[in-house]
Amino acid sequence: SQQGEEDPQALSIQEGENATMNCSYKTSINNLQWYRQNSGRGLVHLILIRSNEREKHSGRLRVTLDTSKKSSSLLITASRAADTASYFCATGNSGAGSYQLTFGKGTKLSVIP
Amino acid sequence: SAVISQKPSRDICQRGTSLTIQCQVDSQVTMMFWYRQQPGQSLTLIATANQGSEATYESGFVIDKFPISRPNLTFSTLTVSNMSPEDSSIYLCSAAGANEKLFFGSGTQLSVL
Repeated sequence: SQQGEEDPQALSIQEGENATMNCSYKTSINNLQWYRQNSGRGLVHLILIRSNEREKHSGRLRVTLDTSKKSSSLLITASRAADTASYFCATGNSGAGSYQLTFGKGTKLSVIP
Repeated sequence: SAVISQKPSRDICQRGTSLTIQCQVDSQVTMMFWYRQQPGQSLTLIATANQGSEATYESGFVIDKFPISRPNLTFSTLTVSNMSPEDSSIYLCSAAGANEKLFFGSGTQLSVL
């Protein structure tokens, strides 16, 4: 069954602005990951945050995790046209195999030059 | 990281026929996965393919419909058998990397007429 739910479903911003996407989930997790999918392509891993972490940075990406609210956010700062893509959160669930990820429906981000 | 070559990238098939999708990884990996992604939707795990053993299928997917081979640690195939229009989707293979990350092929866009 689907675990992560991204919000918003679609987001359109101007180049240089920040983009924030949210993910909510239902069950206990070991980790939460964010992936990017360019149109017609496979997914690319962006960042992983473990259940005992609250915030993680990677370049222009900042991820937060609130296990009490079962939610995560992905912030992309100073967005670029090349950031246009769909972004998916995926949860690694407690009790499941290490690589058994459950994906959300994604947020489609459009960055306008 | 692993680079995954997946082919074909797209195909248009007739109802009742079968299509085999190939996935080649540039390094040895223990676990490979096959996902289905319908337009604008999340990824759904079809099965986990481990070398030397039968694939493990998720609920709603059966071996007769989606036979999988995993002859060695760098290669896997997924066959979509006796296709119907409902099988039209994007099929993605992935491989387990270090630290619970997944690497993905570029996907196969399948249309069944």
